[in-house]
Amino acid sequence: NAGVTQTPKFQVLKTGQSMTLQCAQDMNHEYMSWYRQDPGMGLRLIHYSVGAGITDQGEVPNGYNVSRSTTEDFPLRLLSAAPSQTSVYFCASSYGGKGTEAFFGQGTRLTVV
Amino acid sequence: SQQGEEDPQALSIQEGENATMNCSYKTSINNLQWYRQNSGRGLVHLILIRSNEREKHSGRLRVTLDTSKKSSSLLITASRAADTASYFCATDGVGGTASKLTFGTGTRLQVTL
Repeated sequence: NAGVTQTPKFQVLKTGQSMTLQCAQDMNHEYMSWYRQDPGMGLRLIHYSVGAGITDQGEVPNGYNVSRSTTEDFPLRLLSAAPSQTSVYFCASSYGGKGTEAFFGQGTRLTVV
Repeated sequence: SQQGEEDPQALSIQEGENATMNCSYKTSINNLQWYRQNSGRGLVHLILIRSNEREKHSGRLRVTLDTSKKSSSLLITASRAADTASYFCATDGVGGTASKLTFGTGTRLQVTL
């Protein structure tokens, strides 16, 4: 029972590079989200999806793209990495919308130098 | 902007004591959830309380919600060393169906033997 799987766990990027953070869930959840966690700031919502083919912006979407071609996968793309994107990124999924618990992956620690 | 503030930022207690954490939020909510995060790990859902509920229990956890004061508290009774973690409140606003959690800044709990 894998739950929510994120890869990679750690990544170092140079400024200007692009990369994709992978997120997959095996619980057939419709709702998936990406958050970033910075020291002293809790988690902030980047993008979310309510189902395959449907995505929307969260609180801090600039510099990130998402797509949802399947129910299982929700990759997060950094278009041109900046030091301000150094953070820990978490993917989450839930079977419903509001009022349902979210299941989180283990996180990806990203450093942009 | 961050929805919630948590108080205290850090709490150190001895095993067997009770731990109380408080969360305040700014706007009307649909529900409030509490999550635990062990160091270097993802978040784990603890308990959810809806806006029309005032108190909820789950094992050693007791959550209260006061919507007039826009605040919630999490009580962990008879703390154990394994309860050492960071605890976050997360709120879902009114309107729409998608879960777009807004997290507080968290309370770091240290339970010593």
